[in-house]
Amino acid sequence: EDQVTQSPEALRLQEGESSSLNCSYTVSGLRGLFWYRQDPGKGPEFLFTLYSAGEEKEKERLKATLTKKESFLHITAPKPEDSATYLCAVQGGAYKYIFGTGTRLKVLA
Amino acid sequence: EAQVTQNPRYLITVTGKKLTVTCSQNMNHEYMSWYRQDPGLGLRQIYYSMNVEVTDKGDVPEGYKVSRKEKRNFPLILESPSPNQTSLYFCASSWGSGYGYTFGSGTRLTVV
Repeated sequence: EDQVTQSPEALRLQEGESSSLNCSYTVSGLRGLFWYRQDPGKGPEFLFTLYSAGEEKEKERLKATLTKKESFLHITAPKPEDSATYLCAVQGGAYKYIFGTGTRLKVLA
Repeated sequence: EAQVTQNPRYLITVTGKKLTVTCSQNMNHEYMSWYRQDPGLGLRQIYYSMNVEVTDKGDVPEGYKVSRKEKRNFPLILESPSPNQTSLYFCASSWGSGYGYTFGSGTRLTVV
């Protein structure tokens, strides 16, 4: 069965304290692994798509990496405005997306 | 501005009273989908549509209906809402398989 597990559930960082979020997945025939950011009361905002093991994508302080079993979202020198819930999703069979339950990130000034 | 528009943003209704949540996108996306988001359960797919007149069930379709008569619109219909359908609902669209979604702002539904 296709499955996505994110850890930790919640993470508190001091401003400038780098860390990583984990997304472990099991899927048949990976078509894509996706990272989203969700602010309270808003819809998720697309960040990255990764398609194959070894691929990396970067955007400002965020860097996403992918292996055959997991993905990491690395946050370098985070700022308070990076506080949000980060969601991971995978797409296996055609059009079926599965989301993880997210990591709630709080960056303290 | 490229966007997915959902209406209404908030809705309180009574058990059994039929309702429709509208969703429209202006990006000419082929693929549209409905999700519900509940604490501890994350985003769960209700229905999706790969193109006009093509829809399929997601993980939690019971109690919901959808239609895709036009490319831009994908309404979610609750024929007889029940309290367990109280949730935050999101519509989303994308170019298709392997592409990220653009999400709407959400509809918070309460069924009493």
